[in-house]
Amino acid sequence: DGGITQSPKYLFRKEGQNVTLSCEQNLNHDAMYWYRQDPGQGLRLIYYSQIVNDFQKGDIAEGYSVSREKKESFPLTVTSAQKNPTAFYLCASSMPGLNTEAFFGQGTRLTVV
Amino acid sequence: AQKVTQAQTEISVVEKEDVTLDCVYETRDTTYYLFWYKQPPSGELVFLIRRNSFDEQNEISGRYSWNFQKSTSSFNFTITASQVVDSAVYFCALSETGYNKLIFGAGTRLAVHP
Repeated sequence: DGGITQSPKYLFRKEGQNVTLSCEQNLNHDAMYWYRQDPGQGLRLIYYSQIVNDFQKGDIAEGYSVSREKKESFPLTVTSAQKNPTAFYLCASSMPGLNTEAFFGQGTRLTVV
Repeated sequence: AQKVTQAQTEISVVEKEDVTLDCVYETRDTTYYLFWYKQPPSGELVFLIRRNSFDEQNEISGRYSWNFQKSTSSFNFTITASQVVDSAVYFCALSETGYNKLIFGAGTRLAVHP
């Protein structure tokens, strides 16, 4: 079945550690996105990539990094510079063309302990 | 500036009641797109509808209907005869022409009780 797979579902990190969240899609979508969701808030865009080997900062990119070496994969690294990393992270991809709907993974819940 | 406001934080209804979720948006563009997504307890967002700014026709899909009014910058979502399975967080979102980035509202949590 086609879709977006995020792993792991739950992740615990010690303060000061970097951690990488995985996102893989087999929908053949060009564009991929990372969003952060905090309780009672909408989703905020961290990074997005319209094509392989290219990505742009979203609204809250500080403390995060990404790579897009393959069309299918868009991993997100939460660095120690991110002051408040505990959140729910959602990866998405969208169909070719502009203003198309995005398809989302099931999310990774990151907790700093 | 672009902004999406969902003023209703939480709504609680009893099964079979009709419920309307409000969405108000702000944008300077004349061409833009509006979306609704459902987030069930499992966490992933499920796409419900996309509407462009030139199409003000209301849309009905089963028990779901959407009312788009450019004059009031609103794109409201109505569930008729609600069911327990409709319990979720619902997000309204906006994207401006030429961009695939979505700007989300804060979401409305709908609880449908038996």
